[in-house]
Amino acid sequence: DAGVTQSPTHLIKTRGQQVTLRCSPKSGHDTVSWYQQALGQGPQFIFQYYEEEERQRGNFPDRFSGHQFPNYSSELNVNALLLGDSALYLCASSLAGTGTSLTDTQYFGPGTRLTVL
Amino acid sequence: ELKVEQNPLFLSMQEGKNYTIYCNYSTTSDRLYWYRQDPGKSLESLFVLLSNGAVKQEGRLMASLDTKARLSTLHITAAVHDLSATYFCAVDITQAGTALIFGKGTTLSVSS
Repeated sequence: DAGVTQSPTHLIKTRGQQVTLRCSPKSGHDTVSWYQQALGQGPQFIFQYYEEEERQRGNFPDRFSGHQFPNYSSELNVNALLLGDSALYLCASSLAGTGTSLTDTQYFGPGTRLTVL
Repeated sequence: ELKVEQNPLFLSMQEGKNYTIYCNYSTTSDRLYWYRQDPGKSLESLFVLLSNGAVKQEGRLMASLDTKARLSTLHITAAVHDLSATYFCAVDITQAGTALIFGKGTTLSVSS
């Protein structure tokens, strides 16, 4: 059973460019959340997708957008890259539930390391 | 704004010693998660605590949750080098465990 997969592993971009990161959830999971983890910090919640819609959003500007496909995979797009966008971007998947089950645990992918020069 | 605070942020331990990491959060929540992260790696789920008074144990780690005090603890018993990592607690802002607010993490270093 494949876990959460992300691509690419590493990415180098320059300021002002746009980037797309991809995530495939763990088998059987239908919810994908994206997080940004700057060096030495805890992950910060960007947004969550369920049923191909953005359901929750953290405190991130509109430059950050996403998409979820019918097969539950997801993309994170970042426009007009800034130096401060350099970080590890983590995708996490889970099975939408009632909040009372241990299966509501999020499973994290290996991340995409984005460097903006 | 929900805040999740961990302390200490850095912890240097000797093998065989016991210690506790504290996680305080600023909103009512019955769902608290603990994750481990090794350098350059992703996050590994350790514990999911779903109710007040919940206690979970795995090996040398034990986590507990007091929702009234808005406090969770991660207790380390007889530390070994393999436990060296960064530990994060996280609080769910939904009712389905799908949007987590993390603390800054506690970096644990265990030496002989």
